[in-house]
Amino acid sequence: DVKVTQSSRYLVKRTGEKVFLECVQDMDHENMFWYRQDPGLGLRLIYFSYDVKMKEKGDIPEGYSVSREKKERFSLILESASTNQTSMYLCASSRTYTDGELFFGEGSRLTVL
Amino acid sequence: GENVEQHPSTLSVQEGDSAVIKCTYSDSASNYFPWYKQELGKRPQLIIDIRSNVGEKKDQRIAVTLNKTAKHFSLHITETQPEDSAVYFCAASTLTGGFKTIFGAGTRLFVKA
Repeated sequence: DVKVTQSSRYLVKRTGEKVFLECVQDMDHENMFWYRQDPGLGLRLIYFSYDVKMKEKGDIPEGYSVSREKKERFSLILESASTNQTSMYLCASSRTYTDGELFFGEGSRLTVL
Repeated sequence: GENVEQHPSTLSVQEGDSAVIKCTYSDSASNYFPWYKQELGKRPQLIIDIRSNVGEKKDQRIAVTLNKTAKHFSLHITETQPEDSAVYFCAASTLTGGFKTIFGAGTRLFVKA
């Protein structure tokens, strides 16, 4: 079974703080993704990575950055958290370029006060 | 940009009835159409998918149909059961041209016993 693990299920941060969300997958998947889930908006892609040290912007990258130093780990960084970044963040991975199934983590619910 | 529209946003059916969720997509290059089920407090999980060279696919009580000309695809659940209650997301992806999976806004399905 593929396991995608997100480091924190719940976080509460203050406006302006730097926030790190960590994601680790244990199945040697090539691709990793960060989505944001908000009610009525579905899942929106923030950033994705198809290889170590590679990253591509998704649909809503503003205010976020990512890091992929190792194949199994993909980090989402909020340089200066704002209240409109309060949301559920979902990490996902997929096996290869042509294998579309996404395996999701449990999610990290971030509240920015 | 690319987008996926999903209807209805909420669906309530009696146990044993059928449920149908419909999606339309805008990117004619899309060639992979997965459906994810997210139970309350859990991660989204793939329940069925279809590729653009196939018009219909069935897996027990779940079926998906695809009309490439009209850019429509639908999820059909027959003989619904209370455990089918969840949020369902349709999505569209272009496996050969990148990794972006665009999700619909989701349909909350209630199955009343």
